[in-house]
Amino acid sequence: DAKTTQPPSMDCAEGRAANLPCNHSTISGNEYVYWYRQIHSQGPQYIIHGLKNNETNEMASLIITEDRKSSTLILPHATLRDTAVYYCIVRGWKEKLQFGAGTQVVVTP
Amino acid sequence: SQTIHQWPATLVQPVGSPLSLECTVEGTSNPNLYWYRQAAGRGLQLLFYSVGIGQISSEVPQNLSASRPQDRQFILSSKKLLLSDSGFYLCAWSPSLEGLQPQHFGDGTRLSIL
Repeated sequence: DAKTTQPPSMDCAEGRAANLPCNHSTISGNEYVYWYRQIHSQGPQYIIHGLKNNETNEMASLIITEDRKSSTLILPHATLRDTAVYYCIVRGWKEKLQFGAGTQVVVTP
Repeated sequence: SQTIHQWPATLVQPVGSPLSLECTVEGTSNPNLYWYRQAAGRGLQLLFYSVGIGQISSEVPQNLSASRPQDRQFILSSKKLLLSDSGFYLCAWSPSLEGLQPQHFGDGTRLSIL
């Protein structure tokens, strides 16, 4: 049972912000939202996670709606190296990471 | 800083041959360790996880086994490989008493069975 819904693919122009949506309408109060990405033929790379407040690190920003039913990962200035599959994962305390199909993001020149 | 190493990067094995994939973590103590498999075009499937030396939990019945002979070493094995064992095998670690801490992945081993 998938806890998250993501679009299968999206394109983004190099240098522009990439906004990746994720729906998690059944999220419970103690579950966090995690984002990973997987560049072709590499292992998944952790990006960011949050509970209800917006989070920012050197890679991206995570915006979680007030009702926590959806979130957006923002890559502020996409580069060609950001082309990857991006996974949005909802996870509670000590639960397993469950990877879905993710969003294939292609950054174009 | 912590690093995770997996080897080999690629492996081609005949059906019925044995397998041993190794994963080591540096820069941390008593990590939780994980083995995942990713079939072509599919998501990641958790195979095994370990919270300490000699402690292995299996997530799915299969032809594979895992061992943790040392604190930062995790080994994936098989006595006789099947065609269905082909895939991309990934090792990951997270801090002990993980709770909500993220997992960090190695670069994987791409295994092809002929």
